[in-house]
Amino acid sequence: RKEVEQDPGPFNVPEGATVAFNCTYSNSASQSFFWYRQDCRKEPKLLMSVYSSGNEDGRFTAQLNRASQYISLLIRDSKLSDSATYLCVALNQAGTALIFGKGTTLSVSS
Amino acid sequence: GAGVSQSPRYKVAKRGQDVALRCDPISGHVSLFWYQQALGQGPEFLTYFQNEAQLDKSGLPSDRFFAERPEGSVSTLKIQRTQQEDSAVYLCASSLVQTDTQYFGPGTRLTVL
Repeated sequence: RKEVEQDPGPFNVPEGATVAFNCTYSNSASQSFFWYRQDCRKEPKLLMSVYSSGNEDGRFTAQLNRASQYISLLIRDSKLSDSATYLCVALNQAGTALIFGKGTTLSVSS
Repeated sequence: GAGVSQSPRYKVAKRGQDVALRCDPISGHVSLFWYQQALGQGPEFLTYFQNEAQLDKSGLPSDRFFAERPEGSVSTLKIQRTQQEDSAVYLCASSLVQTDTQYFGPGTRLTVL
């Protein structure tokens, strides 16, 4: 079983839709959590950090539930430019490595 | 400002050849990481440096993989006697300190024929 698991999709949604991605992690000692975005043939880029209190950045909302070891990302009012792969990421206990999920592919169409 | 740079961007090697991949981190970043990303997968951790010290190499898949950062800046990932399963994108990332945000370079796409 992979340490970070997420549904690979693809999620195909129309512009303006709300879409939610879920992720689970197996190591309860993981320090911190993030969502990264990766465009085709590009490097991963940090989208946002994830906190237990929940955090919002414009149309994006991330949430962490440490008790159930579950992370979510909600995207509201989807734009064509949101089409990408979204990677769920945990920082290992030692803080020396990011542990990535396989990624969830989102395709937003007009 | 300059981000993380990697060279070459693309490398084709014949099976059994040795390759060397270079990473130039963001200036002043203490921490440097290497990841391997196979097609359709998320990046997988290979190794971590703090300045010139290699503090974690638990992700290196075999003793054919070797990384160094002799002066605490530029890093080189070397793969000896390449195999087809080594074909992947090799990503380098750096951060100001260990647990700070990691910024990724564009990667080196290695194809082993």
